[in-house]
Amino acid sequence: EVQLVESGGGLVQPGGSLRLSCAASGFTFTSFWMSWVRQASGKGLEWVANINEDGRGEFYLDSVKGRFTISRDNAKNSLYLQMNSLRVEDTAVYYCARAVGHFTGWGQGTLVTVSS
Amino acid sequence: EIVLTQSPATLSLSPGERATLSCRASQSISSYLAWHQQKPGQAPRLLIYDASNRATGIPARFSGSGSGTDFTLTISSLEPEDFAVYYCQQRSNWPLTFGGGTKVEIK
Repeated sequence: EVQLVESGGGLVQPGGSLRLSCAASGFTFTSFWMSWVRQASGKGLEWVANINEDGRGEFYLDSVKGRFTISRDNAKNSLYLQMNSLRVEDTAVYYCARAVGHFTGWGQGTLVTVSS
Repeated sequence: EIVLTQSPATLSLSPGERATLSCRASQSISSYLAWHQQKPGQAPRLLIYDASNRATGIPARFSGSGSGTDFTLTISSLEPEDFAVYYCQQRSNWPLTFGGGTKVEIK
């Protein structure tokens, strides 16, 4: 069974940084692209970033390019999202997801709140 | 960017009734469309991928159809646990995008 457990969310001031982590289990991590998807309170889903199996290919939503960095450690079955220069509009629940284009498994999410 | 438009925004139905949800893409996405279900306070769950394929463990009352720009998710007979928000999602082009969602509520 696919298990994805996010951590690292919290309250941060505008302009600050945060690093999210996602621990994966129940599948062969090195065989899958991975994603981050976010959801602001009461709103819909928004894809944020993808990374390919070996970590050399990264894709980003335009509004986070240059501020967010997705990475993975295949030895630790872990996915990360480094978020810098955070804005109020980045406030959301961030989900880690296993990806084959569509999202085949989701974590429970971690809340990021950007506020002064 | 491919825009996905879902309709209706809200569908009010009774258990046992048939639900028909629509998703329209701003340009052709072949069959690269998925449907996800989300219940309050929970993470989304994949229901259908590549327009018509049920994900593992998804009951047969859920079915998907369509190609190109017009897609449909049908729930043949609503069970109490099916009242939720449904999102379509395309994987044809970057950025990956979602529709705005259809809420299926109890009438």
